Amino acid sequence: SQKIEQNSEALNIQEGKTATLTCNYTNYSPAYLQWYRQDPGRGPVFLLLIRENEKEKRKERLKVTFDTTLKQSLFHITASQPADSATYLCASHSSNDYKLSFGAGTTVTVRA
Amino acid sequence: GAVVSQHPSWVICKSGTSVKIECRSLDFQATTMFWYRQFPKQSLMLMATSNEGSKATYEQGVEKDKFLINHASLTLSTLTVTSAHPEDSSFYICSARTAGNYNEQFFGPGTRLTVL
Repeated sequence: SQKIEQNSEALNIQEGKTATLTCNYTNYSPAYLQWYRQDPGRGPVFLLLIRENEKEKRKERLKVTFDTTLKQSLFHITASQPADSATYLCASHSSNDYKLSFGAGTTVTVRA
Repeated sequence: GAVVSQHPSWVICKSGTSVKIECRSLDFQATTMFWYRQFPKQSLMLMATSNEGSKATYEQGVEKDKFLINHASLTLSTLTVTSAHPEDSSFYICSARTAGNYNEQFFGPGTRLTVL
């Protein structure tokens, strides 16, 4: 099975700065990597999906990259706002097994 | 669109009792639903996958007789925790997927179970 590691449990940044989160996978190269936002006591909310043949994906202030050589995805929140404070989860699945494997998440706190 | 609800949002029960959690897709037909469990500061762990009208497929280490899953319709799946014990206390989250899009799962808001 796939192992997903998000190597920062917590990230504190100043409002307006860019938050960069890391997601590493250790086994097979997943066909897809997904990023979710989870607020305390709530279920995850889908943010972005990137395919293994895509280098970069953007959505408003969010950017995701996928580097199959490094076995890594980076998630960027630009011009961060206090409302971006949440836990961000990385998840992967292969093309023949659509079950998601989740990382433990990185909790981002944006200070005003 | 693509809203998934769970009921109840939280439940407290005594040890030895059974608890049923409902997961509903409100505006789409969910051919597949997934049940996850999340302990504090840990990742979501998949418990089982259920397809409408068939038996659920459980992940390794999950007791099928303890966590009963029923997916009787395209909009409803239920998880029953039988003879619950304090170690079953956790955050249970369901997700749903449509037949046409295997990549995206829509998650419910979760159910906090506390077993005394």
